Amino acid sequence: DAGVIQSPRHEVTEMGQEVTLRCKPISGHNSLFWYRQTMMRGLELLIYFNNNVPIDDSGMPEDRFSAKMPNASFSTLKIQPSEPRDSAVYFCASSLTGSWRGYTFGSGTRLTVV
Amino acid sequence: SQKIEQNSEALNIQEGKTATLTCNYTNYSPAYLQWYRQDPGRGPVFLLLIRENEKEKRKERLKVTFDTTLKQSLFHITASQPADSATYLCAPTRDDKIIFGKGTRLHILP
Repeated sequence: DAGVIQSPRHEVTEMGQEVTLRCKPISGHNSLFWYRQTMMRGLELLIYFNNNVPIDDSGMPEDRFSAKMPNASFSTLKIQPSEPRDSAVYFCASSLTGSWRGYTFGSGTRLTVV
Repeated sequence: SQKIEQNSEALNIQEGKTATLTCNYTNYSPAYLQWYRQDPGRGPVFLLLIRENEKEKRKERLKVTFDTTLKQSLFHITASQPADSATYLCAPTRDDKIIFGKGTRLHILP
């Protein structure tokens, strides 16, 4: 398996633009997580899905952020409009519920909003 | 609110010695606790998981303890090597939702 695949690896955008981050989880995993990492706040859970259904989105900063999982092999995190304070590394992770094998993380998308 | 504390300062350890990292948590009752390693520019990588009814877990040169009374986990790397240099993240977990500490940067000095 190629692991969790995220795209793009790097994104530079202007304030106010829409940004879409993409994630392909490991085949067979039924939970998917979106995290944001900054030096100040560390890794923050934004939202997680189980069997394609959003379970907890309490970490989503505000209405500018939205996430979808239309099927078991694809998820998106969208920011519209983007702001400079959204600059961070965004990670997607997947797991198999109850497997006790931890989460598998992607390589992340480094987002810079100027 | 839930709070997770790890050594905020970087830890410098001489090669060959044992490195010990601490994770304390408050206002939380995790069912299990995970440890991850993160290298610069990469995502975290799962290392070990210990359940609330386990006191100690070992994997090769790694050892983790979990004290639910003290609300603390210790992570040990024995016979440390420069390749062990990385940031190590503690992650108490309940209901399939992980909350991560900010991590401890470990430097193994040759």
